Amino acid sequence: QVQLVQSGAEVKKPGSSVKVSCKTSGDTFNVYAFSWVRQAPGQGLEWMGGIIPIYGTAIYAQNFQGRATITTDESTSTVYMDLSSLRSEDTAVYFCARGGGLPKFFDSWGQGTLVTVSS
Amino acid sequence: EIVLTQSPGTLSLSPGERATLSCRASQSVSGDFLAWYQQKRGQAPRLLIYDASSRATGIPDRFSGSGSGTDFTLTISRLEPEDFAVYYCQQYGRSPGTFGPGTKVDIK
Repeated sequence: QVQLVQSGAEVKKPGSSVKVSCKTSGDTFNVYAFSWVRQAPGQGLEWMGGIIPIYGTAIYAQNFQGRATITTDESTSTVYMDLSSLRSEDTAVYFCARGGGLPKFFDSWGQGTLVTVSS
Repeated sequence: EIVLTQSPGTLSLSPGERATLSCRASQSVSGDFLAWYQQKRGQAPRLLIYDASSRATGIPDRFSGSGSGTDFTLTISRLEPEDFAVYYCQQYGRSPGTFGPGTKVDIK
């Protein structure tokens, strides 16, 4: 069974950055694309961006251009999402999700990471 | 980007009843590349349907998807207690992939 295991909850100050990790199964790392999807409290799902590890170039939703950075570490089969200039509206659960490409449906999801932005 | 609208916002039904959820796109979804997800409180979404009508691995056959172009439907033939949740549609025919706002199916 494919597992995506994310890092733990974070509390951050406005204006700071957060980096969330998502460890994948090594045998699927270079076969699939990985995206980040966030969900604000009581709200719906919002695709932030994604990356295909074998190509290395990430693409981003317009709302996150310039503020989100998605990277990978092939040695540990881990995907990272860095979000800068945090504001209170970024308080949300951040999910990593696996798909067959970009864009594509997501057949496996991480457990989610709660990021709270508060002064 | 393609905007998805889901209706109704909330569907109140009893176990054993049939649920019909609608997802409408602001423009035609290329390839009918539309998926449905189920999300329970505190959990990650779970893929139910992809390519508008194909069931994901392990999904019971009481879940079915249909539709094409701009109008898509998720049907749950007989609601089981574990089916009460929020359901999202997602289009991936055109970048960026976008999600609908969700339909909550709750117990009447």
